[in-house]
Parts: sequence; structure tokens; C-alpha cells
Amino acid sequence: NAGVTQTPKFQVLKTGQSMTLQCAQDMNHNSMYWYRQDPGMGLRLIYYSASEGTTDKGEVPNGYNVSRLNKREFSLRLESAAPSQTSVYFCASSEYRDQPQHFGDGTRLSIL
Amino acid sequence: AQKITQTQPGMFVQEKEAVTLDCTYDTSDQSYGLFWYKQPSSGEMIFLIYQGSYDEQNATEGRYSLNFQKARKSANLVISASQLGDSAMYFCAMREGDTGRRALTFGSGTRLQVQP
Repeated sequence: NAGVTQTPKFQVLKTGQSMTLQCAQDMNHNSMYWYRQDPGMGLRLIYYSASEGTTDKGEVPNGYNVSRLNKREFSLRLESAAPSQTSVYFCASSEYRDQPQHFGDGTRLSIL
Repeated sequence: AQKITQTQPGMFVQEKEAVTLDCTYDTSDQSYGLFWYKQPSSGEMIFLIYQGSYDEQNATEGRYSLNFQKARKSANLVISASQLGDSAMYFCAMREGDTGRRALTFGSGTRLQVQP
């Protein structure tokens, strides 16, 4: 009954460091998404993958890269972390367009 | 222009009373979907209710109902008989169009506090 699993849950980085946030879903969904949530705001789309083998930019893609490793896994990479990327990152997945997105518990990322 | 507008940053309601959280949206698509999510202080995103643009009936899920007024482009969430556990952030979100892009656009949220 895992749903969407994100790792790690918390991370502190120094400016300029790189890291990859991992996301896996066990619901056999085709579409996966990465959002960020800044304090007091709603979620904003970073990248999405409509299906295995495809990725597209969302509203705030700068400074990020993604990889859709297979149908289950969708990773988000920060190549050179900046303080402006301090945020909570959510991964989500969905199947049909009228079905809700299922979210992971989020990764709280701080960049000093 | 904001695609999703939630004009109430914070709301208070007495336990057992009903409360309406406002949401207006902006789209030129004929086909779209509207979602409400709850985010408790623990941080997870919990799906509450969905309304499709072609649905003629207002959506209901237990104590949650969606007051969908298409001409006004509003999709207000109504919570009946509020409980202390309803205290949380509530986000309205929209999925536009019929393309493969099923990503959501979120509003800025409303913080609901239920008082005993």
C-alpha cells in the first residue's frame, strides 16, 4: 500500500552541491510529476513525464533536470544547488486525466 | 493572470458548522477538471474531491461538496459539519485541456482553522 515513495525526506545542501531526489510509484501510472512548494504558496510544476520515455518542462524548470528511468521511477536532479531552490518537493503520479494525482510525502530541502 | 485564485488566506469556523472555501479559475479550454486537496500540518497532500467541466451535477464526497458555477468560473468547496481534524491548508487546482499533459495548476491555498 505504498503509493508514491520519495527519498530522502529531508536534506541539507551547501550552495553548489548536487543531488538527486528519487521518486517511485507502484500504481502502474503512466504520468509522473515533480512540484515544488515554497512557504505560503501552492505547488508549482517543475517537470512532468506523460509516459515512460518522455519528459517536459513545467512552470519552473530552471536549475533542474529529470530522468524517467522506467515506468515506476522519476528522479529530479539539482546540478548546482542554489538557496532559491530551498523548498519542499513533491512527486506525484496519475493515470487518467480525470483521476486525482497521488502525491508522495515530500522532500524538505534546505540549501545554505 | 492567475489561473486559480483563492481569495481567503485564512478562515475560522466553529466545530459542527459548515464552511465554504472560495476558488475561481481562468481557462479558455472547454474541457478541464477541478480538484481540491487538503494539506494538514504534517505536510502530505490529500485528495478530497473532483469536478469535471462537463459534469452537470455538483460533486459530493461525504462531508465535502463542490459548488460548481461554470458561468462564474467558480468551484467552491463546502465542508459540512466541520471537525477539529479539518484544520489544514486547502488547495484548489485545475487540469486543463485534453492533451497528455495532466499536470495541475494550484492556487495559493486557504488555511482553515476549526475552533471547538
